[in-house]
Amino acid sequence: DAGVTQSPTHLIKTRGQQVTLRCSPKSGHDTVSWYQQALGQGPQFIFQYYEEEERQRGNFPDRFSGHQFPNYSSELNVNALLLGDSALYLCASRSGLAGGPGQYFGPGTRLTVT
Amino acid sequence: KQEVTQIPAALSVPEGENLVLNCSFTDSAIYNLQWFRQDPGKGLTSLLLIQSSQREQTSGRLNASLDKSSGRSTLYIAASQPGDSATYLCAVPSGGYQKVTFGIGTKLQVIP
Repeated sequence: DAGVTQSPTHLIKTRGQQVTLRCSPKSGHDTVSWYQQALGQGPQFIFQYYEEEERQRGNFPDRFSGHQFPNYSSELNVNALLLGDSALYLCASRSGLAGGPGQYFGPGTRLTVT
Repeated sequence: KQEVTQIPAALSVPEGENLVLNCSFTDSAIYNLQWFRQDPGKGLTSLLLIQSSQREQTSGRLNASLDKSSGRSTLYIAASQPGDSATYLCAVPSGGYQKVTFGIGTKLQVIP
């Protein structure tokens, strides 16, 4: 079992550009959540996808959008990048929306905006 | 709105000491509580998961307790080793879709 995988590992973008990050959930998981972790901070919830729909969203602007595919994999898109978007982006997967075991996290994508 | 606080923010101990990390949360309507470890620049590694109906969980030298009514959890590390040096994060899912709220973490340094 490969666990949660994310790509790419590292990414450098210029302010104003757009970026797409990808996540494949752990086998058997159908719910994917995205988190942003700035340096020295705890991860902050961006949004959660289940059955290809955004189910819950944290306090992030509309520049942050996502998608979930029929195979449960997910993408996080960020438009009009700002310097403050530089962070570690973590993807987490779980089975279902309620109860059960906790979330499994991927290794993250380190985004640097210059 | 769920808020999670971790104390202390940083901790430095000599190798071999037993230590306790603290986590408190404001909304006791939680499904479970998870402790993670994060090495610098890396992702999260799950250490222990305590379901809301449980009082504690143990894995090797780690023991986590949960007191849901008082909104507290502790992570006990026995006989600390330099390899335990990392940031330890407490995470609590709550709400209908189990949005996870994290603490800021406790940065642990174990000195040889």
